[in-house]
Amino acid sequence: GAVVSQHPSWVICKSGTSVKIECRSLDFQATTMFWYRQFPKQSLMLMATSNEGSKATYEQGVEKDKFLINHASLTLSTLTVTSAHPEDSSFYICSAERTDTQYFGPGTRLTVL
Amino acid sequence: QKEVEQDPGPLSVPEGAIVSLNCTYSNSAFQYFMWYRQYSRKGPELLMYTYSSGNKEDGRFTAQVDKSSKYISLFIRDSQPSDSATYLCAAVETGNTPLVFGKGTRLSVIA
Repeated sequence: GAVVSQHPSWVICKSGTSVKIECRSLDFQATTMFWYRQFPKQSLMLMATSNEGSKATYEQGVEKDKFLINHASLTLSTLTVTSAHPEDSSFYICSAERTDTQYFGPGTRLTVL
Repeated sequence: QKEVEQDPGPLSVPEGAIVSLNCTYSNSAFQYFMWYRQYSRKGPELLMYTYSSGNKEDGRFTAQVDKSSKYISLFIRDSQPSDSATYLCAAVETGNTPLVFGKGTRLSVIA
């Protein structure tokens, strides 16, 4: 149990386009989901906390207008990178919370050309 | 000061060795402690989850938490090459709050 999926697993896009990443909890409901960003050989950096039915809480330094988060249901949260630029290229990982523990998705590798 | 400190390594051990991974933390309010394993280009996988102080064992893995000294440990017995990964410790105060991660320790188990 406690499986979290992400889609897509890999995306390449042109600079200036928007990319949507989905995070789903497959076998449980998650009121709270988290979005992280990870650069090579570095630990995870929390971007935002996503609560179902309410606005996301963004960490300091994360542009909420650039990284749009929607948590429309108890099993789905989406992260949209708007007007992506090469510096947005990174590994994006979501997690979903179940009984005080976070379970992570497999991650989405975004490459912006 | 980062709330969870972890030596990034890298740590290289021969197959069959006992591996000891450690973290320290500064926030007394942390109640839940986790160890995640992350293979290259994959999301973290929950290995062990501990509430408050004590030991927890699961197969070859043992997690220890000592809240009096704010010390978190993960022991891997009979280490295997497949254990080669980055191990992240994490702590959290309560539910619905973000995990605080250590930097991760890169482990290589050499056959």
